[in-house]
Amino acid sequence: GEDVEQSLFLSVREGDSSVINCTYTDSSSTYLYWYKQEPGAGLQLLTYIFSNMDMKQDQRLTVLLNKKDKHLSLRIADTQTGDSAIYFCAEKSGGYQKVTFGTGTKLQVIP
Amino acid sequence: DVKVTQSSRYLVKRTGEKVFLECVQDMDHENMFWYRQDPGLGLRLIYFSYDVKMKEKGDIPEGYSVSREKKERFSLILESASTNQTSMYLCASSSHLQGSNQPQHFGDGTRLSIL
Repeated sequence: GEDVEQSLFLSVREGDSSVINCTYTDSSSTYLYWYKQEPGAGLQLLTYIFSNMDMKQDQRLTVLLNKKDKHLSLRIADTQTGDSAIYFCAEKSGGYQKVTFGTGTKLQVIP
Repeated sequence: DVKVTQSSRYLVKRTGEKVFLECVQDMDHENMFWYRQDPGLGLRLIYFSYDVKMKEKGDIPEGYSVSREKKERFSLILESASTNQTSMYLCASSSHLQGSNQPQHFGDGTRLSIL
């Protein structure tokens, strides 16, 4: 079945850039997503990229997709303490909008 | 904005009890999903539904059932709660438009403890 992998933890200093990486196995993925989960809350959609794109930028967020290597990354520029959260990578393929989520990467921002 | 509401933020139940978790969405979405979230395991799909009275098993359906009697409401049922079902439960919904990006929208989660 589909598999989505992420490292579990990332620590950065405030003001630096953060890069969260994700690998997936399903070559028929159509959309790939990044969600953010703050403590005690549900998941909030941050951004997404269609599988025929290789980059998408949205303010401080940059998504890079290497479809050949099945590698997705999320770069957060000028990381702030409010960016501390768990970030989930997810991919969609097939019908009924079923999405496979990664294990989540906990981002810790050090002041 | 899409609103997905889960009836309880925190719930404590005893082993063997029948437990109901309720989820309501206000965007007329066809698809609804139940996940559980555990540290280091991410989100695992329990059940999903793509229409009223329709349901499909996800990756970990054992010990759970679901009910979708109305389009806006999707209930998760623990038939006989066990301690290994202590977890965070997340409900999500999405629209059914094929070939377009229709992301899942999540509720705030229910943290369930089984004693």
